[in-house]
Amino acid sequence: DAKTTQPNSMESNEEEPVHLPCNHSTISGTDYIHWYRQLPSQGPEYVIHGLTSNVNNRMASLAIAEDRKSSTLILHRATLRDAAVYYCIANAGGTSYGKLTFGQGTILTVHP
Amino acid sequence: SAVISQKPSRDICQRGTSLTIQCQVDSQVTMMFWYRQQPGQSLTLIATANQGSEATYESGFVIDKFPISRPNLTFSTLTVSNMSPEDSSIYLCSVMNGGVGTEAFFGQGTRLTVV
Repeated sequence: DAKTTQPNSMESNEEEPVHLPCNHSTISGTDYIHWYRQLPSQGPEYVIHGLTSNVNNRMASLAIAEDRKSSTLILHRATLRDAAVYYCIANAGGTSYGKLTFGQGTILTVHP
Repeated sequence: SAVISQKPSRDICQRGTSLTIQCQVDSQVTMMFWYRQQPGQSLTLIATANQGSEATYESGFVIDKFPISRPNLTFSTLTVSNMSPEDSSIYLCSVMNGGVGTEAFFGQGTRLTVV
């Protein structure tokens, strides 16, 4: 997987939007961008993933830069339940398919 | 989606003993993986559990220490052998189904403490 860089921590207030950035400047054309989050004492939870186009689902939106060297996870209205560690992963295909390389992630704190 | 059940959820073990962790999935999946999460750290991939053949281990992990079985498409086990306190970690099972670009699902993990 390509190396990803995320801020160590971010803070937000409840019901405000949150933009979590991720840099992946060495990403290859076939690497998918995955986001997972890990709540305290739980296994990672899938959030969203995409290749080139922006993606939306019930949990979040993923905005991918045109050159694919960066992406942003958008939580439209943060809740206290969104407090977690967020991991951005650029997952390669081929023999690396499914093997996720987790960095240190971004610790998101949500204030009431 | 896939629902993953891991057993045990936690255990405290004596050094020098072994523990086998089970991972059961509610549907057949193509890919199964085992990860380790050391205290305060991120996840590290241990190995890919291959159905009907030997697991594929990542650098730094060996079969003698972490033997893995995968007898069918819904079940796998990871054994942590000859444990030492350094093996105290959370061990997680993960699955992926479908082709490239599909998402991964994780179990809740097994919290292992070696004393």
